[in-house]
Amino acid sequence: DTAVSQTPKYLVTQMGNDKSIKCEQNLGHDTMYWYKQDSKKFLKIMFSYNNKELIINETVPNRFSPKSPDKAHLNLHINSLELGDSAVYFCASRREVGSNTGELFFGEGSRLTVL
Amino acid sequence: AQSVTQLDSQVPVFEEAPVELRCNYSSSVSVYLFWYVQYPNQGLQLLLKYLSGSTLVKSINGFEAEFNKSQTSFHLRKPSVHISDTAEYFCAVSDRVKRASGSRLTFGEGTQLTVNP
Repeated sequence: DTAVSQTPKYLVTQMGNDKSIKCEQNLGHDTMYWYKQDSKKFLKIMFSYNNKELIINETVPNRFSPKSPDKAHLNLHINSLELGDSAVYFCASRREVGSNTGELFFGEGSRLTVL
Repeated sequence: AQSVTQLDSQVPVFEEAPVELRCNYSSSVSVYLFWYVQYPNQGLQLLLKYLSGSTLVKSINGFEAEFNKSQTSFHLRKPSVHISDTAEYFCAVSDRVKRASGSRLTFGEGTQLTVNP
């Protein structure tokens, strides 16, 4: 069983469209994250949710809206897609709440290409 | 605030040669340190971590890293690499401050290790 699963794995779309990426973790973790990896492989945190509550919201355009229906799911919706949104988006999860020792478990990534 | 610097963006080596991937960090508080590995078209996997205790930590596949507080470094080493070690390696730091908002892992920019036959 995949611990952190993301769908779709690949997404090609036109500028201006709206798209969603879904993430599910079956590890029983409390905290989930979205990271963006650009073409130079640089990883940047976007959002973090703990038990469905937003706890980290980096400087991300408000075209990006995370939604957590329950603590096992964290979806990412992107409105009005732009060329610069092309990247690989990684979902991750972590067990501890208020603790820094837990490792992050990553999904395999969703490669978004905006044409 | 914390930051991580990986000093080499690319490291090409021959099979069975030793390798060192360098990582330096900056933080105003005590930290936990991690190395993650990303194989092509895959997500990141934890390779090893330093939380406390012995400053030398080891992975199951022969990598090791040493926490050096005075030099604020956490370099990754392997005495003899295999072609299958070809991947992107990320150093990461997390501060030890407990907060309701949780913690964040700050990543370095990655080092591409390429092992050639």
